Amino acid sequence: DAMVIQNPRYQVTQFGKPVTLSCSQTLNHNVMYWYQQKSSQAPKLLFHYYDKDFNNEADTPDNFQSRRPNTSFCFLDIRSPGLGDAAMYLCATSVLTGYGYTFGSGTRLTVV
Amino acid sequence: AQKVTQAQTEISVVEKEDVTLDCVYETRDTTYYLFWYKQPPSGELVFLIRRNSFDEQNEISGRYSWNFQKSTSSFNFTITASQVVDSAVYFCALSRIYNQGGKLIFGQGTELSVKP
Repeated sequence: DAMVIQNPRYQVTQFGKPVTLSCSQTLNHNVMYWYQQKSSQAPKLLFHYYDKDFNNEADTPDNFQSRRPNTSFCFLDIRSPGLGDAAMYLCATSVLTGYGYTFGSGTRLTVV
Repeated sequence: AQKVTQAQTEISVVEKEDVTLDCVYETRDTTYYLFWYKQPPSGELVFLIRRNSFDEQNEISGRYSWNFQKSTSSFNFTITASQVVDSAVYFCALSRIYNQGGKLIFGQGTELSVKP
């Protein structure tokens, strides 16, 4: 089945130690998104890629970066995780117009 | 500005009761999509419905129904004969459509608890 896969499902990292979350898709969608969802809050868009074009949200901290080496893969890099970065990170894809959003199962990040 | 408001933070019902989750949105766009997602405790977002702004027909899918009223900018969700498995956080979302991908704007979510 075509889908969006996020690995790992759970990630524990140390305060200040760089961490990378990965997302892959078999849908061949042009657009890939990274959302951050803190406890009891709504998902918040960090950035998205339209093909290789990177679009950063204005309030996304510099600590967060992303890479999209090809259509299928997208990575979220957190350069120096702080305790406040503990959250669920959701990857999503869509076709050009936003019709047909598909979310992955998420990676729950814990910072110790 | 685009905004989605889910005024009900938490709702608690007893199994078999009907329950309606409210969603009000703001947008200046003439074309947009509206969504409802379910998020169980495991965390994944489960897609429930997508509605195009041009289509104001109400929709029913099993025990779920949606009432889209453009005049009041509302997109309410009703669960008929609720079940314990319906317990989850429900998000209403608005998708802006532009030429490089839609951007989902979520409401704050309504936590539904269905008690046996």
